[in-house]
Amino acid sequence: DGGITQSPKYLFRKEGQNVTLSCEQNLNHDAMYWYRQDPGQGLRLIYYSQIVNDFQKGDIAEGYSVSREKKESFPLTVTSAQKNPTAFYLCASSTLTGQGKDTEAFFGQGTRLTVV
Amino acid sequence: AQSVTQLGSHLSVSEGALVLLRCNYSSSVPPYLFWYVQYPNQGLQLLLKYTTGATLVKGINGFEAEFKKSETSFHLTKPSAHMSDAAEYFCAVRGYGNNRLAFGKGNQVVVIP
Repeated sequence: DGGITQSPKYLFRKEGQNVTLSCEQNLNHDAMYWYRQDPGQGLRLIYYSQIVNDFQKGDIAEGYSVSREKKESFPLTVTSAQKNPTAFYLCASSTLTGQGKDTEAFFGQGTRLTVV
Repeated sequence: AQSVTQLGSHLSVSEGALVLLRCNYSSSVPPYLFWYVQYPNQGLQLLLKYTTGATLVKGINGFEAEFKKSETSFHLTKPSAHMSDAAEYFCAVRGYGNNRLAFGKGNQVVVIP
């Protein structure tokens, strides 16, 4: 079945450590996204990518980094510079607008990151 | 740039009563509009979407939404709430030619037996 896989589902990190969240999709989508979700704040865009080896900052990119070496993969690294990293992280993918009928984003099941 | 406004963070509705969630958007280009549902500790699932054509859109689980360009709105309704509708609902907009997807802050729906 096609879809998006995020791993791990739960992640614990010590303060001062970097941690990488995995996101893989087999939907052949060009665009991929990372969102952060906090209670009452909805989904805030961290980074997005429309093509391999290219990505753009979203609204809250500080303290995060990404790479897009393969079309299927868009890992997110939460660095020690992120002041408040405890949150629920969601990865999504979509076609580019103007291509095909599927205009919506498809989401993974999320990774809950807790700093201990 | 696109943005979405969802008023009120929580909504309590009695089982069998109407569910109405309001969504207003801003977009400088023709919009694609979406409603998603999220159950606890899960990802988002698409309820319905508007791209072009008919402005009344029907989705899964008995939900529907109407695109009103003059009011820049895309309100979500369901005639009769069920206990299984308890979840968080997000409205989202994507402008044609723009691949960035913007979300509202969400509405937490509680269904009272």
